[in-house]
This record gives sequence, C-alpha cells and structure tokens, in this order.
Amino acid sequence: EDQVTQSPEALRLQEGESSSLNCSYTVSGLRGLFWYRQDPGKGPEFLFTLYSAGEEKEKERLKATLTKKESFLHITAPKPEDSATYLCAVREGQTSGSRLTFGEGTQLTVNP
Amino acid sequence: GAVVSQHPSRVICKSGTSVKIECRSLDFQATTMFWYRQFPKQSLMLMATSNEGSKATYEQGVEKDKFLINHASLTLSTLTVTSAHPEDSSFYICSAKKASGGLLETQYFGPGTRLLVL
Repeated sequence: EDQVTQSPEALRLQEGESSSLNCSYTVSGLRGLFWYRQDPGKGPEFLFTLYSAGEEKEKERLKATLTKKESFLHITAPKPEDSATYLCAVREGQTSGSRLTFGEGTQLTVNP
Repeated sequence: GAVVSQHPSRVICKSGTSVKIECRSLDFQATTMFWYRQFPKQSLMLMATSNEGSKATYEQGVEKDKFLINHASLTLSTLTVTSAHPEDSSFYICSAKKASGGLLETQYFGPGTRLLVL
C-alpha cells in the first residue's frame, strides 16, 4: 500500500529564515510526486510535479527536489504570505484515472 | 490556466435531506474528476473517481448509494449526499484532469464546499 509521510507536522519560521519540508514515500511504480499549497478553507493549489530522481523545480522562493525515497520542498527567505499547509501526494499506476495518495501535510507559519 | 469551480461554497442542511455539490472545469475539458473529503486538521481522502459517461469508482469504505456521483459532461461532475447526517459534515473538494493530458497530467482542485448537517 502506498504511504506518504510528511515532516515536520508544523513549522514556525521567522521571515527570511530558510528551511525545508520533507515528504517520504513508499510506492511501487511512481508516476509523479506532487506538491500543493492549501490555505485554510480552500482547495489545494498546484505547485510542482516531479517525475524522476534528481529532478528539481523552482517557483519564486520554493524549490522542490526528488530522490528515490523522498522529496524536499525548500523555502528560501520565506515571507508571511508563504504561511499555509503544504501537501505532498504521490501517484502510482499506469491508467489515466490513477489516484493520488496524500500525506498529512506540513503547516507552515512564517512570522514577520 | 486550469480553473475548477465548485458550487455551493458552503451549505447547511437538516439531517435526512439531500445535498448536491457541483464541480466544473471552467477552461478545459476533463474526462476524469475526483471527489475528496477533508476533516479538520486532516489531509485529503479520496472518495471516488468519476469518469465522463461511465459509473464512478468508489474507494473502499465509501457508500456508493449515499454519495451519488454523476459525470454527465466533460466539464461537470456532481456529488449528491443523500439522507445526510451530522457525521457527513466535512469539507468536500473536487479535482479534475485535462482530457488532453496524458497519464502524467496534473490534478487541479476546486475551492471546496463546506457541508454542515444539523
């Protein structure tokens, strides 16, 4: 059974204090690892998709990396508006309806 | 872009009544849509996968007769919670995949619907 574990559960940073979020996964036949951002009371907002070990993607202050067992979401010089819950999800299987399995998320708070 | 809308954004109903939630892909066609449920402080749990023109596939433990899903067009899927009870109160979120996308296509999520059953 697919498993996705995110750590830490919660993270408090000062504005400008860089850090990383972790997503560990066990899945047979990874067909994509996804990072989403979710604000309270809203649906997840797509950030990145990573497909193979060694792949990296960047968007503003965020950078996602992938190995064979885990992914990191690096946040460089965060701002208060980066505060949100960050969700990691994996997809396995080879059909167009392949499901996503989500982790529990990391709740990030960036203080000014 | 890839915009997904949901309606209503929140709904309060009495126990025993039915509630319909709509999920629309606004700027793309979606052959596959997904319905999730999220309880407070928890992650998203997949309820069912909806394919246009065919029956939905439900996850283990999800009652298909209670959560009716219809995917009648490439831009609309509906979730009907029948005979709702207080324990059905939750945040329901849909997502959609572009029909033009391949196996690796991203899921785009709607803003969610908050259901409160009294």
